[in-house]
Amino acid sequence: KNQVEQSPQSLIILEGKNCTLQCNYTVSPFSNLRWYKQDTGRGPVSLTIMTFSENTKSNGRYTATLDADTKQSSLHITASQLSDSASYICVVSANNAGNMLTFGGGTRLMVKP
Amino acid sequence: DAGVIQSPRHEVTEMGQEVTLRCKPISGHNSLFWYRQTMMRGLELLIYFNNNVPIDDSGMPEDRFSAKMPNASFSTLKIQPSEPRDSAVYFCASSFFPSRGSRSGTGELFFGEGSRLTVL
Repeated sequence: KNQVEQSPQSLIILEGKNCTLQCNYTVSPFSNLRWYKQDTGRGPVSLTIMTFSENTKSNGRYTATLDADTKQSSLHITASQLSDSASYICVVSANNAGNMLTFGGGTRLMVKP
Repeated sequence: DAGVIQSPRHEVTEMGQEVTLRCKPISGHNSLFWYRQTMMRGLELLIYFNNNVPIDDSGMPEDRFSAKMPNASFSTLKIQPSEPRDSAVYFCASSFFPSRGSRSGTGELFFGEGSRLTVL
């Protein structure tokens, strides 16, 4: 069964600090992995996409990594800001017509001043 | 483009009443998804349309739920009769997937702002 597990479930950090969110998946065959940010009361918005051949990709203060061998991804947030407070959802796509997107449970991040 | 538009944003109803949620996808997208989000279960796919045709409705909880996509610019999710356990935020998302019927690919999902449903 395709699964996506995220950790931690929730995280509180001080403004300006860095943090790393983890995503482990068992989706096969792997197509791509996206990180979405969901602000409270809003719909998720894509931050970055990782394909099989990509190891790292940055989007401003967000850096995603992918290890296709261990089936792990991380999202690193540098110099956190209050606006980073949100849920971060890892979504993995399978490369066949018999399956589709598998969502992780999300990590709820709170950045405190 | 205004993005994916959902209505209503909030709905409070009594058990047994019919609820209709509406979605207008982004113009040009060929795929539309209905998701339900709760604290306990996260985001769950209810149904997926490709080119207005339902491809996978295995996530629809039971016969009380139905979804239609009469054209490329409109979809509805109906719950009849509604129950308290249906209380959740319902998201509509649209995307463009390159091949007909394909449910995978690099297509980014664009979500609406959601419809928060409370069934008393």
